[in-house]
Amino acid sequence: AQSVTQPDIHITVSEGASLELRCNYSYGATPYLFWYVQSPGQGLQLLLKYFSGDTLVQGIKGFEAEFKRSQSSFNLRKPSVHWSDAAEYFCAVAKPRGFGNEKLTFGTGTRLTIIP
Amino acid sequence: DADVTQTPRNRITKTGKRIMLECSQTKGHDRMYWYRQDPGLGLRLIYYSFDVKDINKGEISDGYSVSRQAQAKFSLSLESAIPNQTALYFCATSDPLRDRANEQYFGPGTRLTVT
Repeated sequence: AQSVTQPDIHITVSEGASLELRCNYSYGATPYLFWYVQSPGQGLQLLLKYFSGDTLVQGIKGFEAEFKRSQSSFNLRKPSVHWSDAAEYFCAVAKPRGFGNEKLTFGTGTRLTIIP
Repeated sequence: DADVTQTPRNRITKTGKRIMLECSQTKGHDRMYWYRQDPGLGLRLIYYSFDVKDINKGEISDGYSVSRQAQAKFSLSLESAIPNQTALYFCATSDPLRDRANEQYFGPGTRLTVT
């Protein structure tokens, strides 16, 4: 079964600084990978996804993530954070299509705080 | 209007009561899901449905049941609520025939408190 680890429970970053949120997965082959953001009192919104092709994926709101097979990682990055980026971020993994990819397995989340 | 809606948005109920959470979608997706979110645990899958005639248990289905009344509606029931079912519940939809990655689209959530 697949699993996801987000090692950082809480990260604090100054506005304008760069950001990297870590995500490691466990699965025997290349999974489908996702990053979702949950703003306070809101549902989850997809930031970006990877399932094949270029390992550097661009998403919404200026976010990007890089799939590194050798490290089983899919870290999320942003060059300059804005106060509106304060939220909880979830990494998720699914099996490839045809292998039961209806099940998303989520990490435990990283809460991002932005300070002025 | 939101594509995936959930009612109610907040609910407080007492131990032993039966409660139903409802989810509706206008995306035309066949697949629907129910998750619960607990602090520090992320989201965990309760049930999912591929179509009206297909219901499947997720990883934490005990104490829950579901009903897929139509393609657009998927309800989650707690037959006899208990305090450890206090959580934030999310409904989601997806359409793998149109999206190879099978991206899931989430509703705004229902915050349930069982006292």
